[in-house]
Amino acid sequence: DVKVTQSSRYLVKRTGEKVFLECVQDMDHENMFWYRQDPGLGLRLIYFSYDVKMKEKGDIPEGYSVSREKKERFSLILESASTNQTSMYLCASRGGSSYNEQFFGPGTRLTVL
Amino acid sequence: RKEVEQDPGPFNVPEGATVAFNCTYSNSASQSFFWYRQDCRKEPKLLMSVYSSGNEDGRFTAQLNRASQYISLLIRDSKLSDSATYLCVVYPGSGNTGKLIFGQGTTLQVKP
Repeated sequence: DVKVTQSSRYLVKRTGEKVFLECVQDMDHENMFWYRQDPGLGLRLIYFSYDVKMKEKGDIPEGYSVSREKKERFSLILESASTNQTSMYLCASRGGSSYNEQFFGPGTRLTVL
Repeated sequence: RKEVEQDPGPFNVPEGATVAFNCTYSNSASQSFFWYRQDCRKEPKLLMSVYSSGNEDGRFTAQLNRASQYISLLIRDSKLSDSATYLCVVYPGSGNTGKLIFGQGTTLQVKP
C-alpha cells in the first residue's frame, strides 16, 4: 500500500514564524504536490515537484516555498506565517505503475494566531 | 470559467435513493477523468476512473460525455456510509507536467 505521511496533524503557530511542513512517501513516486483546502474554495495547488530538486508553482504559490532534496520527501515552507495561511494542508504523490491515481497524506491543520 | 465545475450541493437524499452528480470541464483535450471521495476530516481517495464507454463498480456508475465535456457519477441504493464529498478530477494530459485538476466537490448527505 502506498503511504503518504505528514509530519503533524495539527499545528499552531504565531504570525511571523517560519513554518515547515514535511511530507514523505514510500512508493518512489516522481511527482509530489502540496495543496491547501478551505471551505468553499476546494483544493488549491500551491507547488508541485516532478523530480528531485525540481519544483513548479501551482495556482497560489505566494507566501510559500518548497524543497525537494530527496525523492521521497517534499517540504512546504511558510517563510513568515500569516493568519490568512490558516488552513488544511494536504500533501500528495503520484507515479510508478498507477500514474493516474494520486495518493494523499492525512493533512495538517495549521492555525496561525 | 473554472477548469472543472461541480454543483457544491449539499444533496440530501434518503437511504435507498438514486442520486446523480454532474461535472463539466473546460479543456476539450483532457485525457483522463476520475471521481475521488473525501470523507469529513479525511484526505481524498480515488473512487473510480471514468472511461468513455462508461464503467460500473457495484452501486456506482461513472460516465463520460466528451462531446459535451461532462462527467457523471450515479449512486444507486444510497447508504448512510455514502455520505461524503465527491470530487470530480481531470487530467489535462501532455504539456501540463502531471497536474490533476480538482473540482470543488459535491457534498452528499444520506439520511435514514
